[in-house]
Amino acid sequence: DTAVSQTPKYLVTQMGNDKSIKCEQNLGHDTMYWYKQDSKKFLKIMFSYNNKELIINETVPNRFSPKSPDKAHLNLHINSLELGDSAVYFCASSQVPGKGVNTEAFFGQGTRLTVV
Amino acid sequence: RKEVEQDPGPFNVPEGATVAFNCTYSNSASQSFFWYRQDCRKEPKLLMSVYSSGNEDGRFTAQLNRASQYISLLIRDSKLSDSATYLCVVNPYNQAGTALIFGKGTTLSVSS
Repeated sequence: DTAVSQTPKYLVTQMGNDKSIKCEQNLGHDTMYWYKQDSKKFLKIMFSYNNKELIINETVPNRFSPKSPDKAHLNLHINSLELGDSAVYFCASSQVPGKGVNTEAFFGQGTRLTVV
Repeated sequence: RKEVEQDPGPFNVPEGATVAFNCTYSNSASQSFFWYRQDCRKEPKLLMSVYSSGNEDGRFTAQLNRASQYISLLIRDSKLSDSATYLCVVNPYNQAGTALIFGKGTTLSVSS
């Protein structure tokens, strides 16, 4: 019954590897996001998609490539992993703004990525 | 000026205390406002939305001052279980795909 689920929960990998994180939401939301939370606990937006269309692409290295096969899924692929990529990556989703619509975001459990 | 600014704390209070957190935001056109709570090694979860008229949910009261671009959260009768990081969150534009902007969070520790 998990609303926003992402896998894996933990990911330990060596520098230079390529890895993917998957996210799925069953809330019927049109908008999905990837956030990065660094060691200082600051949550920063990386990407947002609305109905499979990329809306926000913050200053993120192009080693990070999001893919949205449908509006319920938003995956994150990372090439050539670096030590500095170690962080917690959160997937989230929300409804499209509208009258009476609450635009709160619902978060997945996070993927704790450690690059060694 | 940072988009959303909060006092990082930590706030260390005894059980039963009243504690207030403040937050300012830079974009005067911001549309929606929230307080989220994040427990250690967990995802952020919505605590409450913040409305212009102010709103209350049990021991929690949120206020918004659009003129001053200021948001507050008041917690009365603090419980041990209130210990967490409280995140001030702003939705700057009322458009599809707009991401919530998070403050860095204020850490609260309630002790017995």
